[in-house]
Amino acid sequence: AQSVSQHNHHVILSEAASLELGCNYSYGGTVNLFWYVQYPGQHLQLLLKYFSGDPLVKGIKGFEAEFIKSKFSFNLRKPSVQWSDTAEYFCAVNARTGRRALTFGSGTRLQVQP
Amino acid sequence: DTAVSQTPKYLVTQMGNDKSIKCEQNLGHDTMYWYKQDSKKFLKIMFSYNNKELIINETVPNRFSPKSPDKAHLNLHINSLELGDSAVYFCASSHARGVIATEAFFGQGTRLTVV
Repeated sequence: AQSVSQHNHHVILSEAASLELGCNYSYGGTVNLFWYVQYPGQHLQLLLKYFSGDPLVKGIKGFEAEFIKSKFSFNLRKPSVQWSDTAEYFCAVNARTGRRALTFGSGTRLQVQP
Repeated sequence: DTAVSQTPKYLVTQMGNDKSIKCEQNLGHDTMYWYKQDSKKFLKIMFSYNNKELIINETVPNRFSPKSPDKAHLNLHINSLELGDSAVYFCASSHARGVIATEAFFGQGTRLTVV
């Protein structure tokens, strides 16, 4: 079975601060990795994804994530956050082949103060 | 053009009632899902349909019954609603490249409140 852990439940940053949100997964096979963002009252939107290849992936709005296979990690980063980045961030995995349904982490609430 | 659309967006109903949530996707995807997001924002898969065939049915009470009339639609019917069913329900869809899974696209969510 797959599982995803997000260690930071609530992060408060000032604008222009750098962001790193942790994500670790557990699964015996090959996975796809995702970060989704949920702005207040909105649906989930894909920030970035990793299927294979370069472990450093760039997403929308200046976000990037690095897949470290040896650590089963897929941490999300942004060099300089903005107030508009205030949202809930979810790390998710699915099996590369077979079960396509996403397994989500518990989410990290990011609050950016102006 | 909304890729994954679900209706209604808000649903307030009394305990014991039966209600349905509808979902449609215009992405040509072959797999559709229902996820439940609880009050702590935790997201969990409920059902998954591939080409109208049920392939995932997590431990969900049998008061919840999904129905997929075609590949583009996946509805969720809930009988005898209980207070604990209050949550946001998200529909999603995805497509495989061959056997390789890809990302899911989500609808706007339906906030169900049972009173």
